[in-house]
Amino acid sequence: GEDVEQSLFLSVREGDSSVINCTYTDSSSTYLYWYKQEPGAGLQLLTYIFSNMDMKQDQRLTVLLNKKDKHLSLRIADTQTGDSAIYFCAEKGANSGAGSYQLTFGKGTKLSVIP
Amino acid sequence: DGGITQSPKYLFRKEGQNVTLSCEQNLNHDAMYWYRQDPGQGLRLIYYSQIVNDFQKGDIAEGYSVSREKKESFPLTVTSAQKNPTAFYLCASSAIQGAGNQPQHFGDGTRLSIL
Repeated sequence: GEDVEQSLFLSVREGDSSVINCTYTDSSSTYLYWYKQEPGAGLQLLTYIFSNMDMKQDQRLTVLLNKKDKHLSLRIADTQTGDSAIYFCAEKGANSGAGSYQLTFGKGTKLSVIP
Repeated sequence: DGGITQSPKYLFRKEGQNVTLSCEQNLNHDAMYWYRQDPGQGLRLIYYSQIVNDFQKGDIAEGYSVSREKKESFPLTVTSAQKNPTAFYLCASSAIQGAGNQPQHFGDGTRLSIL
């Protein structure tokens, strides 16, 4: 079935840029999402990109999509301690689950920001 | 404000007891989902529903049951058959019409522990 892979941990210094990577297998993916989860909370939608785009910027967040390699990344500029959280990549494709509306999630990357 | 409300935030279960987790949404979404989150395992889909009075099993439905009597509500019962229920449970909802951008929106979760 479809799969979404992320590295489990990333550690950066405050003020540096963070880059969180994600790979997926579903070639029919239409939308790809990044969610943020703070400790003890639900997932918060950060941003998304449509599959016919290769870049999207939203303030400190930049999403890059390489559809040929099925690689998605999230860059956080000027990383702050408040950015410490788990970041989930998710994809929506025609073949996701039993319906085209479902999302397939990665296992999440825990970002630790060192002051 | 539109959103998803999960209750309670913390729940304790005795051996042999069934417990029910509440999930209510006022986003007018057709689809609702229940996920289980264990450390390092990401999100695993328990059940989902795309219409009132209909629901489907996800990847780990054994020991759980759901109902969808109203569009706004999708309660999850953790039965005594679920031998390892300690986890963080997340409810989500999404629109399903068409093939457009349909992210899932999440509640703040319920943490279930065994007494």
